[in-house]
Amino acid sequence: SQQGEEDPQALSIQEGENATMNCSYKTSINNLQWYRQNSGRGLVHLILIRSNEREKHSGRLRVTLDTSKKSSSLLITASRAADTASYFCATDQASGSRLTFGEGTQLTVNP
Amino acid sequence: EAGVVQSPRYKIIEKKQPVAFWCNPISGHNTLYWYLQNLGQGPELLIRYENEEAVDDSQLPKDRFSAERLKGVDSTLKIQPAELGDSAVYLCASSLGSVAGATDTQYFGPGTRLTVL
Repeated sequence: SQQGEEDPQALSIQEGENATMNCSYKTSINNLQWYRQNSGRGLVHLILIRSNEREKHSGRLRVTLDTSKKSSSLLITASRAADTASYFCATDQASGSRLTFGEGTQLTVNP
Repeated sequence: EAGVVQSPRYKIIEKKQPVAFWCNPISGHNTLYWYLQNLGQGPELLIRYENEEAVDDSQLPKDRFSAERLKGVDSTLKIQPAELGDSAVYLCASSLGSVAGATDTQYFGPGTRLTVL
């Protein structure tokens, strides 16, 4: 079963705008990771945030984690057409060493 | 540094036929994963290896799926016999290794797209 649920399922924006994707999960976690997948390709790791962290930045990416609400958000600032991809959150549940992926958000950035 | 290598990239077979997928992880990575990804879904773990030991295979349909990781490096995932519902992308990933029960960053291969007719 998939623990993470991404919202929205699909997002279409114009180049230069910010994109925000949300992820909710059900059980306690060790960490939460975000991955990107371009069409027909494998997943690429973007960022990992540990359960004791609240915010993390990497370039144009900003991830927040609220363990009390069991939710995380991924913000991509100043989006580019090359950011078009599916974005998945994956939770590392505290009960075992396994990543559980959500169903993903399909982001389309129009030039 | 070479990434995770998978072959073949695409495979089309008829139902009831056997099929095998091969994965070469990043050098030095002790942990290897096989995932199944259906269209429009996130990956689902099939099996995880720590070196040559399968430490999590609870999601592997053992009646038709098997996997091995000889010498703790390359791995093969096999389906015999294949069914129509097995059509999906099979992803291999590797990581340095789990630390204190927590997973670290996983590096994914491009996947094998299987079509069962």
